[in-house]
Amino acid sequence: GNSVTQMEGPVTLSEEAFLTINCTYTATGYPSLFWYVQYPGEGLQLLLKATKADDKGSNKGFEATYRKETTSFHLEKGSVQVSDSAVYFCALTPRSGNTGKLIFGQGTTLQVKP
Amino acid sequence: NAGVTQTPKFQVLKTGQSMTLQCAQDMNHNSMYWYRQDPGMGLRLIYYSASEGTTDKGEVPNGYNVSRLNKREFSLRLESAAPSQTSVYFCASSDYDRGAGSTQYFGPGTRLTVL
Repeated sequence: GNSVTQMEGPVTLSEEAFLTINCTYTATGYPSLFWYVQYPGEGLQLLLKATKADDKGSNKGFEATYRKETTSFHLEKGSVQVSDSAVYFCALTPRSGNTGKLIFGQGTTLQVKP
Repeated sequence: NAGVTQTPKFQVLKTGQSMTLQCAQDMNHNSMYWYRQDPGMGLRLIYYSASEGTTDKGEVPNGYNVSRLNKREFSLRLESAAPSQTSVYFCASSDYDRGAGSTQYFGPGTRLTVL
């Protein structure tokens, strides 16, 4: 079946530190991959996505590269800010079917301290 | 352009009571979804509607029903609420593109407590 596994949190960093949140997936075929972010008290919003192998998604200084050989989509940012404190979800959409369903990882909480 | 709206924002129910969570989107999307979010479990799909007039079960449908009232609106009903249904509920919508994947747009959520 299809599944997403994220590194467990919470992750606590100092401002300007380097961030990596690991994400690996299991899927039939070649899914599309996503990172969503949830700020406190809000719904989820798309952070970045990649739809085929070796694609790099990027937004707001965050990046993630679709690695088919390691079935991974790790999220990185070179210098985090306090405003990046949020919950980050890795997700996939299977290529088969036509419903667009998202399968989420369990989420990783990031806390950035000044 | 409000995106995805949900009502109510908060609700407290007693065990056995019923209620309907409302969701509407103004992006002309075909697909709509209901999720629940529980600590440490990410988001789990309850029901979805791939297009107007169709609904299907997701991962955790027991205890819920849905209605796709029209293209804009997708409601979630709890017929007899149980404490295990205490959660935050999110509605989302998207237009599925097989090549580009499904970017879903989420509402702000409904925080439900069942006593």
